[in-house]
Amino acid sequence: GQNIDQPTEMTATEGAIVQINCTYQTSGFNGLFWYQQHAGEAPTFLSYNVLDGLEEKGRFSSFLSRSKGYSYLLLKELQMKDSASYLCAWSSGNTPLVFGKGTRLSVIA
Amino acid sequence: EPEVTQTPSHQVTQMGQEVILRCVPISNHLYFYWYRQILGQKVEFLVSFYNNEISEKSEIFDDQFSVERPDGSNFTLKIRSTKLEDSAMYFCASRAPSSYEQYFGPGTRLTVT
Repeated sequence: GQNIDQPTEMTATEGAIVQINCTYQTSGFNGLFWYQQHAGEAPTFLSYNVLDGLEEKGRFSSFLSRSKGYSYLLLKELQMKDSASYLCAWSSGNTPLVFGKGTRLSVIA
Repeated sequence: EPEVTQTPSHQVTQMGQEVILRCVPISNHLYFYWYRQILGQKVEFLVSFYNNEISEKSEIFDDQFSVERPDGSNFTLKIRSTKLEDSAMYFCASRAPSSYEQYFGPGTRLTVT
């Protein structure tokens, strides 16, 4: 079967670093995506990992271990506007995205 | 920056009525998708469309649903006879052939009463 697990909620302090974990079980895996979704809005693309290792993009980094079925999203220098849901999703190339339930991150002062 | 657009932003309809949700994908994209998100739940895939035909559909996409690309720019989702449980946010997404990144539209909030 296909399954994606991520924590439901997390809270972190402005200026801090937070790591959001995602584990998945699937066949035909190609790549792991992270999307950000503010309440009532569309998901917006953050990152895509197809190879093992860390991809860094400004304040956001994403890590993938294919052998462990594990990924994380790392957010540095947290800002209040980073309060949102973070969606982990996988795809096997041309197939549609399979989303997890998302992690709701609250950034507090 | 090019973006996916969707109309209407909010649609209220009575149970049993037909609705058509419209999307204009990014112009050089060739892969199109519809997803839905029931309030408080995860984003779920409905259907993907490529080369003027459905390439994949989920169990949710039953005979009440249909998609069409009536011209070179629009991509529509039709629900023939809406049910209360069809109330959700419907997102259109598109993807370029050279990329795996899907760009999402702002969504249409469908409320069935």
